Amino acid sequence: AQSVAQPEDQVNVAEGNPLTVKCTYSVSGNPYLFWYVQYPNRGLQFLLKYITGDNLVKGSYGFEAEFNKSQTSFHLKKPSALVSDSALYFCAVRSSTSNTGKLIFGQGTTLQVKP
Amino acid sequence: GAVVSQHPSRVICKSGTSVKIECRSLDFQATTMFWYRQFPKQSLMLMATSNEGSKATYEQGVEKDKFLINHASLTLSTLTVTSAHPEDSSFYICSAIKQGASYEQYFGPGTRLTVT
Repeated sequence: AQSVAQPEDQVNVAEGNPLTVKCTYSVSGNPYLFWYVQYPNRGLQFLLKYITGDNLVKGSYGFEAEFNKSQTSFHLKKPSALVSDSALYFCAVRSSTSNTGKLIFGQGTTLQVKP
Repeated sequence: GAVVSQHPSRVICKSGTSVKIECRSLDFQATTMFWYRQFPKQSLMLMATSNEGSKATYEQGVEKDKFLINHASLTLSTLTVTSAHPEDSSFYICSAIKQGASYEQYFGPGTRLTVT
């Protein structure tokens, strides 16, 4: 069965410090991996994706993520956090063999960046 | 761009009535749209997959007679919550896959439904 785990309900970091939001996955076939951010009472905004190619993926707002096949992980990172990065972050996966396009979402991680 | 809109953004209805939520892809054609439900501070729960011109595919445990989905065109899908009850109160989010570019889902801003 396909699944995504975000082991941390909340991550707290001081502004200016690096941040990491963790994600591990389980999928049959090759994974397509995504990160989305959600602000209160809003839909999801796309941050970045890994389909194939370089394991280090750069996305919007200075975020990046590294695909690690051996550890089945796709952690989201940013070198220097901003207070405005505070939001709910979702990792999602779909299998390359899926013909439905359905995404499996993690449970979400709340990022709190303090001034 | 790839913009998805939802209407209304917020709706309050009385128990027993029905409410329709629209999901539109504004600048692209969407062969597939998805409907999600989200409870406060929780993840998205996929309700159904909506394909243009065919019946929606519902996830296990989702009542298709209660949550009617219509995908009549390549830019519009609708979700109708029939005979709504307070437990149907939730945040409903749609997403769309761009025709010919199947990797990404583009999400609408969501609709907050409150049933009194």
